[in-house]
This record gives sequence, structure tokens and C-alpha cells, in this order.
Amino acid sequence: NAGVTQTPKFRVLKTGQSMTLLCAQDMNHEYMYWYRQDPGMGLRLIHYSVGEGTTAKGEVPDGYNVSRLKKQNFLLGLESAAPSQTSVYFCATRQGENGYTFGSGTRLTVV
Amino acid sequence: AQSVTQLDSHVSVSEGTPVLLRCNYSSSYSPSLFWYVQHPNKGLQLLLKYTSAATLVKGINGFEAEFKKSETSFHLTKPSAHMSDAAEYFCVVSPQHTGGFKTIFGAGTRLFVKA
Repeated sequence: NAGVTQTPKFRVLKTGQSMTLLCAQDMNHEYMYWYRQDPGMGLRLIHYSVGEGTTAKGEVPDGYNVSRLKKQNFLLGLESAAPSQTSVYFCATRQGENGYTFGSGTRLTVV
Repeated sequence: AQSVTQLDSHVSVSEGTPVLLRCNYSSSYSPSLFWYVQHPNKGLQLLLKYTSAATLVKGINGFEAEFKKSETSFHLTKPSAHMSDAAEYFCVVSPQHTGGFKTIFGAGTRLFVKA
């Protein structure tokens, strides 16, 4: 039982490049989330999804897009990377009022 | 509106002594409250949760937290620290029945454990 799997684990991008982060879950959870973690700021919500085919903006959505074509996958895209997007990205899932299940993170550096 | 304040950015204890990590919150809704732990270069792991049942909540690895509505606090404690407890801890407030998009994470408290 893998839980929540994020790929890749590390990536270095040049400013202006694009990339997609993949989150895959095998728990059949309805809700999925993308967070970014920056030092001293806790986790901030980028986008989220309450079910297959749905997405919505979170607290810091600018510069990111998402898609959830299949229930088990939630993709986060950066169309034109900027140094301000250097961060650690976490995917999480949730079912009902239970706690979140997090992936192990993607460490992204934009130079 | 929701907010969460972790009152200490760093806490240092000796192995075998008690741990206290403090968290205050505010919420316009009935909140669920969580504590998560993050070890270096790892994801966040759920320690315990409060969802309006018993106010004293027991979690994994000997941790517990008490929900005090009158003080709007949800402090995390452990009677005896172990070296493996060294990590960062996050207090989280999540209004119930809102799909999680109003969830707020605290800034984190880094726990150091001295031998």
C-alpha cells in the first residue's frame, strides 16, 4: 500500500522552463491538495480538488495550474518557472474529517 | 476566519524530560485540530487529531494533546522525550465540513532533544 506517491523527488529548473509534478494515491480519497512549504511559513495551499474532474484555487495559486482527470492522480503544472517558486511541494489527500495523508515531497529549485 | 499560532519556533529539551509544544488557534467554525510531525526531508505524519469527541487526545509515540476551548489552545505534550522525537511539529486547524480548503497550518516548532 503506497499511500501518496509524488514524482519527481528533486528537480532543478531554469527560469522560464515548465514542468509537471505528479501525485498519485491508492486510497480512493476524494479530496486532493497541493501545498508548498517555505521556511517559517508552514504549508500554504496552492490548489485543491474535491473530486475527479474538479479543481479550485487555494491561497497561493498564481503561476500554477492543476488537473485531475482521474480520481487517483492530481497534477501540478508550472508553465514558466520563476525563482520565487523554489520550494518544497507536498501533495496530500483526505477523506471526510480524517487527517491528511501526505506524500514525501518534491524539492524544486528554480535558478 | 481561522488562524493558528505556535508560540515557540524552537524548543530544546533533554532526553527523558517532558515535552510541551504550545498552539493557540481561532476559528469561526467548529474546528478539527491536528498535530503533525515532520522529520528532515520527509513528508508530514499525523500524530493525533481532535474532532469534538474527548478533549484529551492520545496519539502515536506517546504524544497527547488537550483541547481547551476556553483558552483556545491545543498544546502537545509527551512525558519523556526520546532522541527520535527531534523533528518539526505543526499544529493545524481545519473547520469541519468545509472540504479542507480553509485549513491553516502553523509555522512549525522545531524540537531539539539533547542527550
